[in-house]
Amino acid sequence: DTGVSQDPRHKITKRGQNVTFRCDPISEHNRLYWYRQTLGQGPEFLTYFQNEAQLEKSRLLSDRFSAERPKGSFSTLEIQRTEQGDSAMYLCASSLEAGPRPYEQYFGPGTRLTVT
Amino acid sequence: DQQVKQNSPSLSVQEGRISILNCDYTNSMFDYFLWYKKYPAEGPTFLISISSIKDKNEDGRFTVFLNKSAKHLSLHIVPSQPGDSAVYFCAARGTASKLTFGTGTRLQVTL
Repeated sequence: DTGVSQDPRHKITKRGQNVTFRCDPISEHNRLYWYRQTLGQGPEFLTYFQNEAQLEKSRLLSDRFSAERPKGSFSTLEIQRTEQGDSAMYLCASSLEAGPRPYEQYFGPGTRLTVT
Repeated sequence: DQQVKQNSPSLSVQEGRISILNCDYTNSMFDYFLWYKKYPAEGPTFLISISSIKDKNEDGRFTVFLNKSAKHLSLHIVPSQPGDSAVYFCAARGTASKLTFGTGTRLQVTL
């Protein structure tokens, strides 16, 4: 399978704990995006990387959130001191900037976070 | 503010008929528009896209129409099949290549 993969698929944590999610993009894709989706809403942009550089962060990404893509391949999204409002589906997507259709983003299956 | 709107939360269509899903946007700087399909507990699956300089793009049973003056796009599915039952999201690409999504329309294709 050469699609975008995310791990874990589900995470239940207690309020105040830290969690980390991983995303592996399509191998030749140099852009990687993180989105968050809550019930009844469409995905909302959080941040994106071109290779290892984090180029933009949304206002939704509070100081408790940090994302990395150290070698320009996989990425991690960490949430510190989780709050109940962090409960959502966290989606990762990737795209190939230099490809014929750089605007097409391909999504992984998501990580569903539940904060109790 | 909601820059991409899907005003119909749900749509029911008979198998074999046409499904028309609508989307409105407010930001004239969007340069590409995309439609995604989403099943429960899965990530969105890319369906079809259109450049802001085009007015139509077709791929098999799926056609997207763009009316730039009205800031409106629509996805036509012909003929509709039961496997098309899912939530459909309209998305628009703006600055930094980030996508702005609508709230989705749940399509139910009945037998």
